[in-house]
Amino acid sequence: GDSVTQMEGPVTLSEEAFLTINCTYTATGYPSLFWYVQYPGEGLQLLLKATKADDKGSNKGFEATYRKETTSFHLEKGSVQVSDSAVYFCALRVNTNAGKSTFGDGTTLTVKP
Amino acid sequence: GAVVSQHPSRVICKSGTSVKIECRSLDFQATTMFWYRQFPKQSLMLMATSNEGSKATYEQGVEKDKFLINHASLTLSTLTVTSAHPEDSSFYICSARDRGLPEAFFGQGTRLTVV
Repeated sequence: GDSVTQMEGPVTLSEEAFLTINCTYTATGYPSLFWYVQYPGEGLQLLLKATKADDKGSNKGFEATYRKETTSFHLEKGSVQVSDSAVYFCALRVNTNAGKSTFGDGTTLTVKP
Repeated sequence: GAVVSQHPSRVICKSGTSVKIECRSLDFQATTMFWYRQFPKQSLMLMATSNEGSKATYEQGVEKDKFLINHASLTLSTLTVTSAHPEDSSFYICSARDRGLPEAFFGQGTRLTVV
């Protein structure tokens, strides 16, 4: 079956530090890949996406590149801010699987001033 | 992006009563919606897939008689937690897909507390 494995947290960084959250996946088909962010007490917001190999998703300074050869979709940001503190979920969706999304366990990021 | 509205955001109910949670797609039609449950500091657990005009598809281990799902229109799905017990207390989140887009859009979530 489909699965997503992401870096265990929690991750604590100082403001302006470089962020990497690793994500690897296994899928029965050809998936689309996503990063979602969840702030305390809220639902999930789409952060970025990539739908085919070598695509780079980017938004709000975050980037992730769809690497088919390594089945990875690592999230990066060059300079984090306190406001980036949240839980980040890597996810995939395969068209043939009734549209269901498969999520990683989430990584909690805390950015300190 | 597309907007999914979930209501209520918080609800407290007494043990044995039923609670209904609504999930609406505000600016698109969603033939499929998904209901998730999230425990503290954990990932989302898919409960069921809600299909407009037909019965929901439940994941293994989810009691369909306890978690009633109705998807009567292309913009509304409801989850009713029947005869709620304290162990049903959780954060419930819905999502919907806009046809033609790969991503799902999520509601704000509902914090259910059963006392």
